[in-house]
Amino acid sequence: IQLTQSPSILSTSVGDRVTITCRASQGISSSLAWFQQKPGKAPELLIYAASTLQSGVPSRFSGSGSGTEFTLTISSLQPEDFATYYCLQNNSYPFTFGQGTPLEIK
Amino acid sequence: QVQLVESGGGVVQPGRSLRLSCAASAFTFSNSGMHWVRQAPGQGLEWVAVISSDGSHKYYADSVKGRFTISRDNSRNTLYLQMNSLRVEDTAVYYCAGNLDVWGKGTTVTVSS
Repeated sequence: IQLTQSPSILSTSVGDRVTITCRASQGISSSLAWFQQKPGKAPELLIYAASTLQSGVPSRFSGSGSGTEFTLTISSLQPEDFATYYCLQNNSYPFTFGQGTPLEIK
Repeated sequence: QVQLVESGGGVVQPGRSLRLSCAASAFTFSNSGMHWVRQAPGQGLEWVAVISSDGSHKYYADSVKGRFTISRDNSRNTLYLQMNSLRVEDTAVYYCAGNLDVWGKGTTVTVSS
């Protein structure tokens, strides 16, 4: 299963509302997770099962979607949110990641 | 504090083997599915393999199937990745992850002649 994220890169500003899309090449129900990765660090789980917020993750992060189209939304971007975001499908093996969407400061 | 610590990375020639380890502490290792995920320099994340909590089920990415073997020792709270027939394109930081919500800091594998 291939995952395609859009946009490929996003230039944005503190306080902006940000939406990243992840499209699957076939239906994956709600078996999608979102990760945040900062340079030189391990990824961190933000959302699983498409829309469930991982414990400890700020409520400005939210996820939605099912089937083949999913979105990650950050309601008001904070300075610490500038990072690269990845989606992952865990519907069937082999699991696959999207190519990643880096957030850049505009 | 929940912790996963990878070790065993290094520089190795193409065609050689390497075994990675991932030691878990303060973590319910024996109840957790464990994954290996890698990241080539400047590239995105690539899922590599998973093993079920009791070790009875294992799945691999097509890129490593037949060359890599994932295993675990629940008595030692340790996960392994045996990597054989290494290729230049296996060069990456290798992360272990428990249930994909607890991650180690990674260990670097460089395959070069």
